[in-house]
Amino acid sequence: GESVGLHLPTLSVQEGDNSIINCAYSNSASDYFIWYKQESGKGPQFIIDIRSNMDKRQGQRVTVLLNKTVKHLSLQIAATQPGDSAVYFCAEGGTSYGKLTFGQGTILTVHP
Amino acid sequence: DSGVTQTPKHLITATGQRVTLRCSPRSGDLSVYWYQQSLDQGLQFLIQYYNGEERAKGNILERFSAQQFPDLHSELNLSSLELGDSALYFCASSVEYPGGPRETQYFGPGTRLLVL
Repeated sequence: GESVGLHLPTLSVQEGDNSIINCAYSNSASDYFIWYKQESGKGPQFIIDIRSNMDKRQGQRVTVLLNKTVKHLSLQIAATQPGDSAVYFCAEGGTSYGKLTFGQGTILTVHP
Repeated sequence: DSGVTQTPKHLITATGQRVTLRCSPRSGDLSVYWYQQSLDQGLQFLIQYYNGEERAKGNILERFSAQQFPDLHSELNLSSLELGDSALYFCASSVEYPGGPRETQYFGPGTRLLVL
């Protein structure tokens, strides 16, 4: 039979542009959020995380913004490079240790 | 390299068979998580262990089981395999402990399982 796969959102940008990847999370009780990058054939790679007592956190070329009012998370990548091409996942979790619940992912393609 | 290792990298088997996937966490990490990534379900949490004890279960089928050994490596056993079990299986580890603060989960490279 025909297989049905997830239809992931896609974002195409030119090298050097800034990229913004959005994520709507589901659980209003979640207070830990994390972004992962997954390249083809590899496992998810940690990018940046943020706790619910913050609304912004910056890393190297990346910024995560959290809007708890509308349960929205975004990842901003500055000066996007071809090596940034991958699937980006947001994930949410509780305060203490435990499972992560992943979003469906966004495919980022960076054109040189 | 996350420091989490998984073997084998690829596994091809037939329906009805049983396989074992192995994971070694990062040095010092006592918490191990198993996730399944399929085309139609995305990344789904299966099960969590802390220092040898099961701590949480997610969307894990009864045909699947796992354990964590005294040396902290973990194995995921999949039995009576069906075509729909074909997926990527990831192990993640963290320094988290029960009641402690949230810490980053680091993922291994995964095992790609193909059931024919």
